[in-house]
Amino acid sequence: DTGVSQDPRHKITKRGQNVTFRCDPISEHNRLYWYRQTLGQGPEFLTYFQNEAQLEKSRLLSDRFSAERPKGSFSTLEIQRTEQGDSAMYLCASRPQGVVEAFFGQGTRLTVV
Amino acid sequence: EDQVTQSPEALRLQEGESSSLNCSYTVSGLRGLFWYRQDPGKGPEFLFTLYSAGEEKEKERLKATLTKKESFLHITAPKPEDSATYLCAGDNTDKLIFGTGTRLQVFP
Repeated sequence: DTGVSQDPRHKITKRGQNVTFRCDPISEHNRLYWYRQTLGQGPEFLTYFQNEAQLEKSRLLSDRFSAERPKGSFSTLEIQRTEQGDSAMYLCASRPQGVVEAFFGQGTRLTVV
Repeated sequence: EDQVTQSPEALRLQEGESSSLNCSYTVSGLRGLFWYRQDPGKGPEFLFTLYSAGEEKEKERLKATLTKKESFLHITAPKPEDSATYLCAGDNTDKLIFGTGTRLQVFP
């Protein structure tokens, strides 16, 4: 399968716990994005990488959120001390250089109880 | 502030009843306008990219058009399998800014 892969697909966690999600982009894509989507809303930009460099972070991304892309390949998104408001679908997308379409993974559905 | 607004929020159509979805954007330095389809519980699936006013693209029953302020997604003779949420997004500084989507339901 050559699409964007996200793991896990679903995660239920207790409030206050830390969670980590993984995204494997399409191999030749140098840009990788994280978005968050809540019910009835469009995806909201969180952050993006070009290769291993994190180039932009949204002001939505509180200091409890951290993302890495250590070797310019897969990326992880960690949420520390989860809150109920963090419950959402977390989407990863990748795209090559240029103004071209981004390809999305199937997302990780996070539920904080 | 850069913004993408979609209307209507929801649309119910009878099978075969053509209609249009609207996407208005105020994105400075827009470099591309993207349309995606999203099924429940899944990630967005790419449909079209439009780069300049006057451009049109077609795929099966869908046609996307772009003006300087808006984009339209025209659906001709829709079928129940076209039921989904349709998202548009503007690209200005290397990231996509999404609207809230139009939830389309097509009934047989």
